[in-house]
Amino acid sequence: SAVISQKPSRDICQRGTSLTIQCQVDSQVTMMFWYRQQPGQSLTLIATANQGSEATYESGFVIDKFPISRPNLTFSTLTVSNMSPEDSSIYLCSVRAPSEKLFFGSGTQLSVL
Amino acid sequence: KQEVTQIPAALSVPEGENLVLNCSFTDSAIYNLQWFRQDPGKGLTSLLLIQSSQREQTSGRLNASLDKSSGRSTLYIAASQPGDSATYLCAVSPHNNDMRFGAGTRLTVKP
Repeated sequence: SAVISQKPSRDICQRGTSLTIQCQVDSQVTMMFWYRQQPGQSLTLIATANQGSEATYESGFVIDKFPISRPNLTFSTLTVSNMSPEDSSIYLCSVRAPSEKLFFGSGTQLSVL
Repeated sequence: KQEVTQIPAALSVPEGENLVLNCSFTDSAIYNLQWFRQDPGKGLTSLLLIQSSQREQTSGRLNASLDKSSGRSTLYIAASQPGDSATYLCAVSPHNNDMRFGAGTRLTVKP
């Protein structure tokens, strides 16, 4: 299994500001995934973060809005930039363990006023 | 594009009942399928992973089956308990990379 520490667990932010979410994994992993879960909906993949290269973004998500860092094999950050109320969601990071199971952080519940 | 559908969207049962949650997917070329549990406002907990070559997996009171050819999976919960109340999500992996999620089934088990 993999244990992922994600922070902050929740935040309330003002429109136009940015928030950086951090995920720390207890083991080295090649890929980390960032998901968004809008209220009452399922998870949507934002991007895949590989160490040493630029993140790969899904359709509808761009680097200027959701810049990602992956400085090493155990850590990644996702920034939600220039926030608007539409960005209010739960943001989750995840990794795939050697067992191929996907493990998730506890999530960051973001509210934008 | 892979689409994942879960039926029903919500389910309420009395404690002790056995129940089945359904998941269907449009593209049978999957790498694996995983069932998760999500409690309100929290992250996801992995329950069972079925590889594309497998037919089922069991863990305690949970049994997940996979019929790749028909694009279906079921999660069977035996002798349900109030602590099983949560949203159950099905996700398929088109390759050894990301996963595509269904919208989930919100389960309530009444004491």
